[in-house]
This record gives sequence, structure tokens and C-alpha cells, in this order.
Amino acid sequence: GAVVSQHPSWVICKSGTSVKIECRSLDFQATTMFWYRQFPKQSLMLMATSNEGSKATYEQGVEKDKFLINHASLTLSTLTVTSAHPEDSSFYICSPEARDLAKNIQYFGAGTRLSVL
Amino acid sequence: LAKTTQPISMDSYEGQEVNITCSHNNIATNDYITWYQQFPSQGPRFIIQGYKTKVTNEVASLFIPADRKSSTLSLPRVSLSDTAVYYCLVGEGGNQFYFGTGTSLTVIP
Repeated sequence: GAVVSQHPSWVICKSGTSVKIECRSLDFQATTMFWYRQFPKQSLMLMATSNEGSKATYEQGVEKDKFLINHASLTLSTLTVTSAHPEDSSFYICSPEARDLAKNIQYFGAGTRLSVL
Repeated sequence: LAKTTQPISMDSYEGQEVNITCSHNNIATNDYITWYQQFPSQGPRFIIQGYKTKVTNEVASLFIPADRKSSTLSLPRVSLSDTAVYYCLVGEGGNQFYFGTGTSLTVIP
């Protein structure tokens, strides 16, 4: 159980465009979704936490208007990087909370590498 | 939330046992200790989890002393494919989502 699908795996875009990343929990329902960002040779940094049907909670220093999170259903959450710039180039990883499966274990998507030209 | 400290990097020869220690001095009573493995350009993958004493599964063992202020991930007979970054996370339920620096393990032929 706990299969997480994240799409796309790699995206290249021009500066100023918006990019949407999808994260799906395929065999479980996730009331909570965690979004991380990882720069090269660094650890994962939590960006935001979203609960299904409500607004996301952003970590300090993360611009909520730039990183739009939608968690409209128990199996799908999206992260939209608006007006992307080269400094937004990073590896983005989602982690739906599989509360009913294994209480203290997190399952992660495969990640999306964003390259902004 | 319990802060974790791990060595930044380790090297090991193929076939040897590798032990990676994580310090978590302010671990709370209800906190679990969970280790994840991450390969480049992939999401982290669950390895093992424990609360106290010793836990073993098909890929690793986790040793936790009685005071629970540290834990040691043991990988038996590592191979080149075990080269990765290993993270320990401490928390309860949905509260263990802050990653530390991790330990970059390089297995040498």
C-alpha cells in the first residue's frame, strides 16, 4: 500500500511562466499533504502543509502567493509555482499522510525537478 | 519537535557493515524514530522505524538505547547500491516531517 504518484518528474520552463505539479495517493486517502523543496546537496525543506478542503499552512519564508497549493480531494493535491524564476529551480517532493496505514511513516512522491530558464 | 544530529558523510567498503548514529537529545515520550533513504533525484524511501530497544527488518537494524537520546541504523554488508543519503526523523504521528542534514553514505568498491 501507500503508492504515491507525482507528475511531472521533470519540467523545464521559461522565466515568468507558471508550473503545476500534481501529487496523487493511488491506494489510500490523504487528509494532509506535505510539500517539500530540495536544493542540490541539501536536505528536504518543508514548504507547506495542506489539509483537504482548507487553506494550506506555509512555513516561514515561503511565499504563499508564489507557491499555490490546492488540496481539493483526498487523493489529489497540486502545487503551482507561479511566475517562476531561475531561483525557483529545485526538486519538489510531495508526501501525503497515510494516516490509516502506518501512523508514523511518511510516503513520498518521486519528486519533480523544476528547471527555470 | 526533536532536533536530530547526524554525521554529514561516511565512506565504507563494499561488504562491510555500516552504522550511522543519530542524536536526538530532546526526544519526547511519544516520539518514534524513523529512518529514510534517498537516492539522487528521488523521493525518500522508508527503511525502518522503532520506539525502543532493537528492531530488525529485511534491510536494516535499528538500535535504540534505553534513554532513547540516540539511535543507530545498521546496514549489514553494504553494496554499491546502498550509496545514498540517510535521514533520521523523530516525532509522533504527523509531527515528524522536519528533515535534518542527513548522512551521505558512499560505498567504495
